[in-house]
Amino acid sequence: DTGVSQNPRHKITKRGQNVTFRCDPISEHNRLYWYRQTLGQGPEFLTYFQNEAQLEKSRLLSDRFSAERPKGSFSTLEIQRTEQGDSAMYLCASSTNSGDEKLFFGSGTQLSVL
Amino acid sequence: KQEVTQIPAALSVPEGENLVLNCSFTDSAIYNLQWFRQDPGKGLTSLLLIQSSQREQTSGRLNASLDKSSGRSTLYIAASQPGDSATYLCAALPNAGNMLTFGGGTRLMVKP
Repeated sequence: DTGVSQNPRHKITKRGQNVTFRCDPISEHNRLYWYRQTLGQGPEFLTYFQNEAQLEKSRLLSDRFSAERPKGSFSTLEIQRTEQGDSAMYLCASSTNSGDEKLFFGSGTQLSVL
Repeated sequence: KQEVTQIPAALSVPEGENLVLNCSFTDSAIYNLQWFRQDPGKGLTSLLLIQSSQREQTSGRLNASLDKSSGRSTLYIAASQPGDSATYLCAALPNAGNMLTFGGGTRLMVKP
């Protein structure tokens, strides 16, 4: 296993369209996180899964956003009716449940909403 | 609500210089403090993780310290190299919850 994988790397879409991103965590990691990062800022937490259960959601995650991790392995993040303000890098991270909480990040999906 | 601040926002140094990056946080009820490196257009790479009970961690030329009582952490980079050029981010994990709160990062440029 080579690390956390995110697809696509880049997505350009028109305002109002729906987009879906995929994250494949490191195989033995049962914790999975989504963050959003805009240019020049640090990442902001969106949501967290332990196995298939979504345990935390940020207020940033509006009704247009939905995340799933159906089998406790890969996860998807969908944004409906995209807005220009959704343009950002969407980062996925995973970790074990060992207690040290060290996160391993993917390379991200860069979303541009025109 | 936890707030994490990093100063300076940008730093340019000549190769070989030792340097310190600063991170401050407002809520001392943290489980750990983590430092990451981010290259342009890339994800984050974990550098060092300091548990709340620890004072410092070292990896190679990097040393991170933690002072919970003052709400501060520093990342010390010894003998900087051009390859160290990147954005360095610190993040605090609370005692309750799994939400890392990141600072805005320090963009480091090491000139040959």
